[in-house]
Amino acid sequence: LAKTTQPISMDSYEGQEVNITCSHNNIATNDYITWYQQFPSQGPRFIIQGYKTKVTNEVASLFIPADRKSSTLSLPRVSLSDTAVYYCLVGDRNRDDKIIFGKGTRLHILP
Amino acid sequence: EAGVTQFPSHSVIEKGQTVTLRCDPISGHDNLYWYRRVMGKEIKFLLHFVKESKQDESGMPNNRFLAERTGGTYSTLKVQPAELEDSGVYFCASSQEKGEDEQFFGPGTRLTVL
Repeated sequence: LAKTTQPISMDSYEGQEVNITCSHNNIATNDYITWYQQFPSQGPRFIIQGYKTKVTNEVASLFIPADRKSSTLSLPRVSLSDTAVYYCLVGDRNRDDKIIFGKGTRLHILP
Repeated sequence: EAGVTQFPSHSVIEKGQTVTLRCDPISGHDNLYWYRRVMGKEIKFLLHFVKESKQDESGMPNNRFLAERTGGTYSTLKVQPAELEDSGVYFCASSQEKGEDEQFFGPGTRLTVL
């Protein structure tokens, strides 16, 4: 499973766009990039997944450059309820790989 | 539709005691996963059931941990005897099909071993 590196924490104000970048230099050809969100006392919740270029859903966008060695989760117009820990995972979704979350990025939204 | 549920939400036991955690996956989900987060550290995989079979238990820390999923429905994770380092939050997740990427996580059980 490819190792990922993320910022330990980030602060932002309500209404701003937040971008969290994850580095995964040894990503493999079959690996997908998946982001999870975790609120205190809850399990991680799936946000978005992508393989290359750009993916957008109702919650976030995921930008993946051509070399795929990094990815950026973009949260538009954040609110206080977006305060959470965000995890980036890289792995082959067609294999029974065990999932190991890193420490994630603690995002704190300020009023 | 009911999500993944776990019981209890918090358990406090003394070192040497036995504790059993329960996970009820979403109905119809064949895949069930157990994870553990120890204070300040990342969430780590423990094991994966497909129906009642253990597909991968390589994350189980030692033989004090026993997971079962009789009948392929709910699962239990027993810790016997519990040690101080077993304290943490134990998450359960389920998914419908192998390779399906979205795992639905339960709220976790916080285990405190004194």
